[in-house]
Amino acid sequence: GNSVTQMEGPVTLSEEAFLTINCTYTATGYPSLFWYVQYPGEGLQLLLKATKADDKGSNKGFEATYRKETTSFHLEKGSVQVSDSAVYFCALYWGAQKLVFGQGTRLTINP
Amino acid sequence: SQTIHQWPATLVQPVGSPLSLECTVEGTSNPNLYWYRQAAGRGLQLLFYSVGIGQISSEVPQNLSASRPQDRQFILSSKKLLLSDSGFYLCAWSGAGGNQPQHFGDGTRLSIL
Repeated sequence: GNSVTQMEGPVTLSEEAFLTINCTYTATGYPSLFWYVQYPGEGLQLLLKATKADDKGSNKGFEATYRKETTSFHLEKGSVQVSDSAVYFCALYWGAQKLVFGQGTRLTINP
Repeated sequence: SQTIHQWPATLVQPVGSPLSLECTVEGTSNPNLYWYRQAAGRGLQLLFYSVGIGQISSEVPQNLSASRPQDRQFILSSKKLLLSDSGFYLCAWSGAGGNQPQHFGDGTRLSIL
């Protein structure tokens, strides 16, 4: 079936460090891929998306590239800030009006 | 612009009591609507989704039910709450037709005592 696997957290970094959160997927066909962010006590917000192979989604300094050959959609940011502390979810859309979410990765940035 | 409202923000209920959580969407028509549960420190579990009025799909067998009495209203209910129903409940909407990002409400934190 369709599934999303994220790197296990929690991830703790210092401010201005480089961030990578790995996400790989299993799906038939050509799913669309998303990253969502959840700040403490809040709902999820769409961070970025990519709808076809080699697309790069970007927002707020975050980037992710849809790699069909490695079935991956890793999230990256060149210099993280304390305000980036949150839980990050990778998700895919494959049809039937539903998203499949990864288990989430908690990120903590220390000043 | 489209907005989604979910209430209440927090709720403390005794075991065996009923539940009604409400979610409404503004600024769009015929949205897909979703209810998720997020247990503490864990990922999202899709509970129900709806592609139209009166159309409810249940993803997991459980103590909860959902209804969509109006196009932009989605209600999560229970007749008798269990301790295991505690969690963070999120409502979301997306455009119809699939392949659309979902937009989430701020969530309801439900504690069962």
